Amino acid sequence: NAGVTQTPKFQVLKTGQSMTLQCAQDMNHEYMSWYRQDPGMGLRLIHYSVGAGITDQGEVPNGYNVSRSTTEDFPLRLLSAAPSQTSVYFCASRRQVFNNSPLHFGNGTRLTVT
Amino acid sequence: QKEVEQDPGPLSVPEGAIVSLNCTYSNSAFQYFMWYRQYSRKGPELLMYTYSSGNKEDGRFTAQVDKSSKYISLFIRDSQPSDSATYLCASRFGRGYQKVTFGTGTKLQVIP
Repeated sequence: NAGVTQTPKFQVLKTGQSMTLQCAQDMNHEYMSWYRQDPGMGLRLIHYSVGAGITDQGEVPNGYNVSRSTTEDFPLRLLSAAPSQTSVYFCASRRQVFNNSPLHFGNGTRLTVT
Repeated sequence: QKEVEQDPGPLSVPEGAIVSLNCTYSNSAFQYFMWYRQYSRKGPELLMYTYSSGNKEDGRFTAQVDKSSKYISLFIRDSQPSDSATYLCASRFGRGYQKVTFGTGTKLQVIP
């Protein structure tokens, strides 16, 4: 099994450009989420989904959109990139919504906005 | 104030040393406590998971939670160079709540 796969691994954008970060999991996990990791700030939750068609905001959702049309995929869209969105983005999934199964993380997308 | 606080380090120890990594948290409603390990250029992976207060041991690793002082610890015995990574503590509320709150991570280097 591939686990949680994120593409691309690296991306450079200019201010104002838009892009989509891809996340796919092959573990039939119900719960999926997006985090950003910044020095001194730790991992912060952007958006999450508890199943296909259901999404909700985390603690830092502004400037990002998500959708969940299938169980496997959970793309993150940057609508108009800003330098403040320079970060490492991690997608994470968990087997079921209401249990104590651990989060499985992808290996991240490193985004630079100039 | 961050809900989960962690000394960023870096912490440098010789191979074979006992390592103590610590976090404090502010929200007394947290019930589940976790330690994740993150190697450079990789995503975090779950290392230890505990519920409420007490100790949990897994091989060379021991996780300890003291809810009275809101203190979370991870001990690594006989540390190895392969333990060199960033260690993230994390907490969440009870069953059914989604959000996991992470500390900023402590970078550990074990020198051969």
